[in-house]
Amino acid sequence: EAGVTQFPSHSVIEKGQTVTLRCDPISGHDNLYWYRRVMGKEIKFLLHFVKESKQDESGMPNNRFLAERTGGTYSTLKVQPAELEDSGVYFCASSQTDFNGYEQYFGPGTRLTVT
Amino acid sequence: AQSVTQLGSHVSVSEGALVLLRCNYSSSVPPYLFWYVQYPNQGLQLLLKYTSAATLVKGINGFEAEFKKSETSFHLTKPSAHMSDAAEYFCAVTSSGELTFGTGTRLTIIP
Repeated sequence: EAGVTQFPSHSVIEKGQTVTLRCDPISGHDNLYWYRRVMGKEIKFLLHFVKESKQDESGMPNNRFLAERTGGTYSTLKVQPAELEDSGVYFCASSQTDFNGYEQYFGPGTRLTVT
Repeated sequence: AQSVTQLGSHVSVSEGALVLLRCNYSSSVPPYLFWYVQYPNQGLQLLLKYTSAATLVKGINGFEAEFKKSETSFHLTKPSAHMSDAAEYFCAVTSSGELTFGTGTRLTIIP
């Protein structure tokens, strides 16, 4: 069974540009989460999808961030326009539909550098 | 609100020595607790989880953690460190799905 995949693994963009991160969860997992780790800080929750619906987006920093999950499969996280403070590692995680104690499976992350 | 405190951002132990990584949590409701490990250039891998069953939880690679409600702690231990244990370790708490992480502890193994 394939794990959670994320693309790209690294992205370097200039301030003001747009970047789109993609996450493919484990097949059949309805729950999809996005997290971010800014250098030197803790991993922080951004948002949670259940299928294609946003269950909780309380962690999204501002309206420059837009997450979608069309069809309830893969998800994208777009940053437009990017700012220097958006640099960090963006993780995606998924968990199965049936309750399993909130166990989440993480992807390798996308390292975003804004210059 | 929930929070996690990991004492020691860097911990060094000799190969074969006891590994002890500390985690204290704060939660107003019964928590679910996790330890994740991140090896270089890899994603987060679940080591073990506490879900209100046994207070002593055994995980992969010889790690275990004990849930102590009175101390609000969930420390991670391994009796004998191996070179392959060098990684960053994260403690996390949740009661609703969204994970709250500590700042992580980087474990170095001294040959």
